[in-house]
Amino acid sequence: LAKTTQPISMDSYEGQEVNITCSHNNIATNDYITWYQQFPSQGPRFIIQGYKTKVTNEVASLFIPADRKSSTLSLPRVSLSDTAVYYCLVGRMNRDDKIIFGKGTRLHILP
Amino acid sequence: GAVVSQHPSWVICKSGTSVKIECRSLDFQATTMFWYRQFPKQSLMLMATSNEGSKATYEQGVEKDKFLINHASLTLSTLTVTSAHPEDSSFYICSARRQRVGSNQPQHFGDGTRLSIL
Repeated sequence: LAKTTQPISMDSYEGQEVNITCSHNNIATNDYITWYQQFPSQGPRFIIQGYKTKVTNEVASLFIPADRKSSTLSLPRVSLSDTAVYYCLVGRMNRDDKIIFGKGTRLHILP
Repeated sequence: GAVVSQHPSWVICKSGTSVKIECRSLDFQATTMFWYRQFPKQSLMLMATSNEGSKATYEQGVEKDKFLINHASLTLSTLTVTSAHPEDSSFYICSARRQRVGSNQPQHFGDGTRLSIL
């Protein structure tokens, strides 16, 4: 299972774009990159998943360089409600494959 | 979208009591479910992988006799904390992945169960 490294915490302001980068130097060929968001006393919520280049959905974008050794989650125009812990996970997404969580990034949005 | 439901969301009980937590996949079948625990300000720690119709696979350091897992159907897994003690107080979260051959599916998580042992 590929190990991931993220900043422990980040602060930003409402309306700003926030980019959280995750390093995963030993990512395997079949591994996908998945980001989750977790609010206090709730389970993690799926944000976005990708394999290479760029993926965009209604809440975020995920940028993955060609070597796939890192990835960047981009949150456009954040609001106070985006204050949460964000986890970058790397692994195969087959049925039995377990996911090991790293420490995550605690994002604090300021007014 | 996929929904995973946990019950109860909060339980408080006396030391020595056994507590059962249910995890259900509401709109898909899941032959594999995962159980995590999370202490305050810490990340999720995988406890075990629950397999429908067979024994669970426990992570190193997790007592299988303490944390009993049953996965009797394709939509339900249960975690029973036996003879719970205050050190078992934690936030327990389950997850499941939709089964689709040939595609990559993310895990979907329940909203967790807060267990407090007095």
